Amino acid sequence: DTGVSQNPRHKITKRGQNVTFRCDPISEHNRLYWYRQTLGQGPEFLTYFQNEAQLEKSRLLSDRFSAERPKGSFSTLEIQRTEQGDSAMYLCASSSPVDTQYFGPGTRLTVL
Amino acid sequence: QKEVEQNSGPLSVPEGAIASLNCTYSDRGSQSFFWYRQYSGKSPELIMSIYSNGDKEDGRFTAQLNKASQYVSLLIRDSQPSDSATYLCAVKADRGSTLGRLYFGRGTQLTVWP
Repeated sequence: DTGVSQNPRHKITKRGQNVTFRCDPISEHNRLYWYRQTLGQGPEFLTYFQNEAQLEKSRLLSDRFSAERPKGSFSTLEIQRTEQGDSAMYLCASSSPVDTQYFGPGTRLTVL
Repeated sequence: QKEVEQNSGPLSVPEGAIASLNCTYSDRGSQSFFWYRQYSGKSPELIMSIYSNGDKEDGRFTAQLNKASQYVSLLIRDSQPSDSATYLCAVKADRGSTLGRLYFGRGTQLTVWP
């Protein structure tokens, strides 16, 4: 069991650029979650997938954000036209339907 | 909007003492509760899960749940400097359209000094 992995671990970009993050869940987990965490706050839910189906999106997820999980395995989170307010740690977690959520190491995004 | 509140920190205790971390939640229907530990710059790491009223012990950690009072706590016995971290309380949405997501508190920063 290699755990949840995320790439890249750090991303620095200029305002207005697009960025894409990848998450590889624990292999037998069919649920995958994305959260965002800013300094001094707990993680905030963004969206989640059961297999390849995106079942819920938070109102935090503006139309500049899109997530996919094309084959029910890895997932990508894309942010278009990044803004300074998008600077945060983006966390991915996975679980089986009744199990607890295990987090990956996160991707820290800095928008200049 | 489901709320999760944690006692404001930071909390500072000497090595060997008991650290007590508290959390309240607003959704009376919640059934699943979790404590995560987060070191600075790292991602949350699961410490304990609890689903039934009462105490659940795992090594130096004890989680306590009181659903009637909508209260969950974490006790850390024989605190060590390596326990210094932010502790996040999380409540899982167990029903309705938000099924599965975790709602987190802001976290309590714990410092254990030698």
